Amino acid sequence: NAGVTQTPKFRVLKTGQSMTLLCAQDMNHEYMYWYRQDPGMGLRLIHYSVGEGTTAKGEVPDGYNVSRLKKQNFLLGLESAAPSQTSVYFCASSYNPGKNTEAFFGQGTRLTVV
Amino acid sequence: AQSVSQHNHHVILSEAASLELGCNYSYGGTVNLFWYVQYPGQHLQLLLKYFSGDPLVKGIKGFEAEFIKSKFSFNLRKPSVQWSDTAEYFCAVTAQRGGYQKVTFGTGTKLQVIP
Repeated sequence: NAGVTQTPKFRVLKTGQSMTLLCAQDMNHEYMYWYRQDPGMGLRLIHYSVGEGTTAKGEVPDGYNVSRLKKQNFLLGLESAAPSQTSVYFCASSYNPGKNTEAFFGQGTRLTVV
Repeated sequence: AQSVSQHNHHVILSEAASLELGCNYSYGGTVNLFWYVQYPGQHLQLLLKYFSGDPLVKGIKGFEAEFIKSKFSFNLRKPSVQWSDTAEYFCAVTAQRGGYQKVTFGTGTKLQVIP
């Protein structure tokens, strides 16, 4: 049972380059999330999705785009990477956070923008 | 908007000491509460959760938390910590917002247990 899988695990980008982070879950969860984790700031929500074909902005959406074309996948895109986007990115999924379920997290992607 | 405060940013304890990590949230409606743990280099894992019922909830590895509604608190406790408890701990709350459930995390508390 894979749970939540993120690819890649590590990446170094040059300023201005673009990339896509992939999140896949095999638990048939409706909700999916992208967070970034920075020292002293905890986890901040970038974007989230409440179901296939839907996306919504979180706390820090600028510079990122997302897509949820299939229920099991949630993609996070950086169109033009900036050093401020150096961070650890976590994907998570949940059936429905209000229905007595918790979020399950992926292993994280460590992104460095130089 | 809902928010979560963890006032202890870095806690250092000796093995066998007792642990209490504070978590306060602000939201006027019904909430679900969680504690997650992140061991060094790993992803977040659920320690325990509260949805309703007994306000004292027990989680994995000997952790427990008490929901005190009047204080908007959900503090994490463990009677005797071990070196293997060294990790970062996050409190989280979900609340109904405009037809969907939003999850908000605190900034985390780093726990260092000295052998």
